Amino acid sequence: DAGVIQSPRHEVTEMGQEVTLRCKPISGHDYLFWYRQTMMRGLELLIYFNNNVPIDDSGMPEDRFSAKMPNASFSTLKIQPSEPRDSAVYFCASSLASGVTYEQYFGPGTRLTVT
Amino acid sequence: AQKITQTQPGMFVQEKEAVTLDCTYDTSDPSYGLFWYKQPSSGEMIFLIYQGSYDQQNATEGRYSLNFQKARKSANLVISASQLGDSAMYFCAMRESHSGYALNFGKGTSLLVTP
Repeated sequence: DAGVIQSPRHEVTEMGQEVTLRCKPISGHDYLFWYRQTMMRGLELLIYFNNNVPIDDSGMPEDRFSAKMPNASFSTLKIQPSEPRDSAVYFCASSLASGVTYEQYFGPGTRLTVT
Repeated sequence: AQKITQTQPGMFVQEKEAVTLDCTYDTSDPSYGLFWYKQPSSGEMIFLIYQGSYDQQNATEGRYSLNFQKARKSANLVISASQLGDSAMYFCAMRESHSGYALNFGKGTSLLVTP
């Protein structure tokens, strides 16, 4: 299996620009998660989906952030407009609810730098 | 309040020795799961081991074992026969049944294995 795929791996953008991060979960997984990792705040859950439906978006920082999952094999996280404090590594993860442990498999992450 | 506490920001261990990484958690949910992830310098998050709150036995996966002390709310990771490749950040995480499938992560412990 290919694992969770994220693109781009690195993104450098200027403040005020729109940024779109992309994720392809493991085929057959029915949960998809977006996390953000910073030195100050560690790993934070932003939002997660079950069968393409957003379940909990309470971790989304503000209205500048939005996430979609139009189908089972694709999700996007969009930041518009971006700010320097959004600089972080953004991880996508997926899991299968029918398993025993429900462990989440993480993608390689997207390192976002907003200047 | 912090749900997962990892009190050791950094640890050193000599190759071939065993090391214990501490994790304490806080929940009132009777059903929960505890996870350990490894994050090497390359950045990916790698699932290591899982312990369910109702599991009678401590979980083991190869050189990894989990010292689960439910009454003390601790779930320490034990790595036996450390290898240089074990040098990484290690994160403890918890999933509570009432909060769905989201994971709460600790701040992590940096482990350095020396020759």
